[in-house]
Formats: sequence, C-alpha cells, structure tokens
Amino acid sequence: EAGVTQSPTHLIKTRGQQATLRCSPISGHTSVYWYQQALGLGLQFLLWYDEGEERNRGNFPPRFSGRQFPNYSSELNVNALELEDSALYLCASSLDRANQPQHFGDGTRLSIL
Amino acid sequence: GENVEQHPSTLSVQEGDSAVIKCTYSDSASNYFPWYKQELGKRPQLIIDIRSNVGEKKDQRIAVTLNKTAKHFSLHITETQPEDSAVYFCAASMIAAGNKLTFGGGTRVLVKP
Repeated sequence: EAGVTQSPTHLIKTRGQQATLRCSPISGHTSVYWYQQALGLGLQFLLWYDEGEERNRGNFPPRFSGRQFPNYSSELNVNALELEDSALYLCASSLDRANQPQHFGDGTRLSIL
Repeated sequence: GENVEQHPSTLSVQEGDSAVIKCTYSDSASNYFPWYKQELGKRPQLIIDIRSNVGEKKDQRIAVTLNKTAKHFSLHITETQPEDSAVYFCAASMIAAGNKLTFGGGTRVLVKP
C-alpha cells in the first residue's frame, strides 16, 4: 500500500513569492492534514481537510490556505512568502472518523531566500 | 486551546537500558494520544497510540501509559537498541478540536552502544 506522497521534495522561493505544495493521501483516507515543522519549534497544526471542506485551522495567517480535490489529494498554498515560512511542511492523512491515526508523508522543505 | 509539554528534551541511555518520556496535557477533553518517532531527515512515524478509555497499551518493547486524572501519559521503551535513537513526539487530540493534533516539543533519544 502506498503511503502519503508529497511533492516537491524541496522548494526554494524568495520573499513575496507564492508556493504550492501537494499531497496525495493513503488510498481510502479522506482526511488530509497539514503541519509545519520549523527548526526547533516542533510540529504545528496548519489545516485539516475532509470531503473537500476545510474542517479546522491552526493559528496561522490567512496567506496560508489550501484545498482538497475530489480524489482527496490536497494543495497547500502560501502567499506573500516571508523568511520565517522556511520549514518542513508535512502532510498527513487518516480515515474520516474521529481520532484516527494520522500517517505522515516525507514533507516538502520550503526555503525562503 | 490544548497545550502539551514533553520531558525531557534530550535523553541519553545505554544500550539495553529503558527509556521513559513523559507528556502532560492541559485539556481534560483530550481523548487520543499518539506517539511518533522521527529519524533524521525522515517522516514522523506512528509507533503507538492510546485512547482515553485505556490505561496502558503495549507493543513489543514499547508501552504507553495514560493517567487521565493527572493528565499525563508516558512512553516506555525497554531493552533499547541503537536503532531506537531518534526524536520522539507525543501528541494529543480531542473530537471537539476536529482531529487536530497538538504536539509536544519532542525528545531527542540517543542510545549509546
């Protein structure tokens, strides 16, 4: 069974640009989560999508947004990039029932120059 | 919102000894507690989880205990091996928060041969 896949592996941008990160969940999983792992700051919850809808949002500014497609894959968009957005962005997926195990992808490392 | 504290931040043990990591959470409504292992440059990997209706769960050399009254849960690794060296994260979630995982700060475990 294929795990959660994310692309690209690395992304280099400059301040003010926009970044798009992609995630494909495990087959059968309808919930997709995005987390930010900045150096020394642990994992911070960004967004949760289920059945194409945003279900919950972490304490991040509106320039962090995303969407979920009919095939349950997801995109994370970050607009007006700032230096502090440099981090590993991890996607996880789970079944849609409450408190189901979340399985992570390898992440996209976003570097802002 | 939920807050999860994890201790210690670093742990060095001799191969064959036991390792214990403790997490405390703030919201008594939390009812799902997973543990993740993250090796350098790799994805967080779910190693064990426990729900609030269970006090203890074991899987080979790994066990997790939950004390709902005190609002803390612990990871126990017995007979540690060098391949147990990694960063371990605890997390908590509750249905009301929509499957959002709140992570502890992580524990870097080093198993010395």
